[in-house]
Amino acid sequence: AQKVTQAQTEISVVEKEDVTLDCVYETRDTTYYLFWYKQPPSGELVFLIRRNSFDEQNEISGRYSWNFQKSTSSFNFTITASQVVDSAVYFCALSEERRDDKIIFGKGTRLHILP
Amino acid sequence: KAGVTQTPRYLIKTRGQQVTLSCSPISGHRSVSWYQQTPGQGLQFLFEYFSETQRNKGNFPGRFSGRQFSNSRSEMNVSTLELGDSALYLCASTRGRDMNTEAFFGQGTRLTVV
Repeated sequence: AQKVTQAQTEISVVEKEDVTLDCVYETRDTTYYLFWYKQPPSGELVFLIRRNSFDEQNEISGRYSWNFQKSTSSFNFTITASQVVDSAVYFCALSEERRDDKIIFGKGTRLHILP
Repeated sequence: KAGVTQTPRYLIKTRGQQVTLSCSPISGHRSVSWYQQTPGQGLQFLFEYFSETQRNKGNFPGRFSGRQFSNSRSEMNVSTLELGDSALYLCASTRGRDMNTEAFFGQGTRLTVV
C-alpha cells in the first residue's frame, strides 16, 4: 500500500536557523517517484523537487537540500539559513510507476520561521 | 504562460445544495486531477482525468463527480452538500498522461457549507 508519513505537524524556528522536515514513505513498487511541494498562504502547491527511486543522490538547490535514503524509506528536506519567506506548509508526496494516475500526499508540516 | 486557473475562488453554499467547480489547466496540459484539502484529513485524491476519460477515482461517495472537456478544462460537481464537504478543492495539471511528473496546481476553490 502507498503511504507517506510526515510526523512533524508543526515546526517553529528562528530565522537563520537550519530546519529539517522529515518524510517516510511506504510502497511495494520498485519504481516510484517522490516529491516535495510548498503551500504558501495563497493556497496553490508549488513544486520543489521530484526524485525517482533509482536516483539516491542527494540534491542541493540554493538553501534547499534533500536527502533520499531507500534503506530507511526516507526523503528528508532541509532548509539552511531559514528565512521568513520559507514559512509555509510543506508536503511530501509519492507516486508509483504502475499507478501513475494519482499522487499520495503526506499530511504536511507547517513551518513557522520567526523573525 | 498562464497557470492553472480555478473558479470560483470562494463559495458559500447551504446543506443539500449542489456545486460545480471549474479548473482550466495550463495550455497544452492534458491531465487534470482534483484534491480535497481539509485540516483533519490533509490532501486527499478525488479523481484524475486524461483526454476526457476518468482514469482513477479516490475513496469519495458518489455525490462527488467530475468530467473533462475536449479542451482539457475540467469540472467537478458535488451534489447534496454536507457540512463535512467544506474544504479547499485543488486542481492540478500535468503535461503528459502520468502523474509521475511535476504537477502544477491552482490556488483552489474554498468551499464553505453552512
